[in-house]
Amino acid sequence: EAQVTQNPRYLITVTGKKLTVTCSQNMNHEYMSWYRQDPGLGLRQIYYSMNVEATDKGDVPEGYKVSRKEKRNFPLILESPSPNQTSLYFCASSLAPPQGSDEQYFGPGTRLTVT
Amino acid sequence: RKEVEQDPGPFNVPEGATVAFNCTYSNSASQSFFWYRQDCRKEPKLLMSVYSSGNEDGRFTAQLNRASQYISLLIRDSKLSDSATYLCVVNRDDKIIFGKGTRLHILP
Repeated sequence: EAQVTQNPRYLITVTGKKLTVTCSQNMNHEYMSWYRQDPGLGLRQIYYSMNVEATDKGDVPEGYKVSRKEKRNFPLILESPSPNQTSLYFCASSLAPPQGSDEQYFGPGTRLTVT
Repeated sequence: RKEVEQDPGPFNVPEGATVAFNCTYSNSASQSFFWYRQDCRKEPKLLMSVYSSGNEDGRFTAQLNRASQYISLLIRDSKLSDSATYLCVVNRDDKIIFGKGTRLHILP
């Protein structure tokens, strides 16, 4: 089954404790991205990746890191989480970069709470 | 001004009615356009792409007006299952920009 998986689905952590949210897709997609969704602010792109070893900042990259060492995986790293990073996070992938009309496939979301 | 703007709603519409949403975008370099649907904090899913010639998929019709920089979504004969948040999405260069979404409630 074609899908994007994220883990963990729910995470409660404390300020400053490094964490990684994994994202994996099995569709051989080139383009992957991370979003956060907050009430009243909608979905905002954090980082995106055009292909292996090619990552770039989205609109809200501060406090986050990503890597793309393999085509299928795109982990999101919070080196020192803070309460303002409490949010719902989505990973997404698409076959090609977004200039075309390719559909984005989203993971089920990770609900992160930082206390 | 936000790059992609939508009326947040909520729109409360009786079942069977026709409802229309608009979305405006500010960057004329925007290249492709979509409507996504999101149910109650679940992941967004593609509803339809939007083309300059307009496109229709069953009860749903999408239009793009590049001159006025807006896209629209029309839902005919609305069903209870159409209750959701509808997200306008614009691609510009390598980035993907979401509107904040329009909430739709279909009333029995």
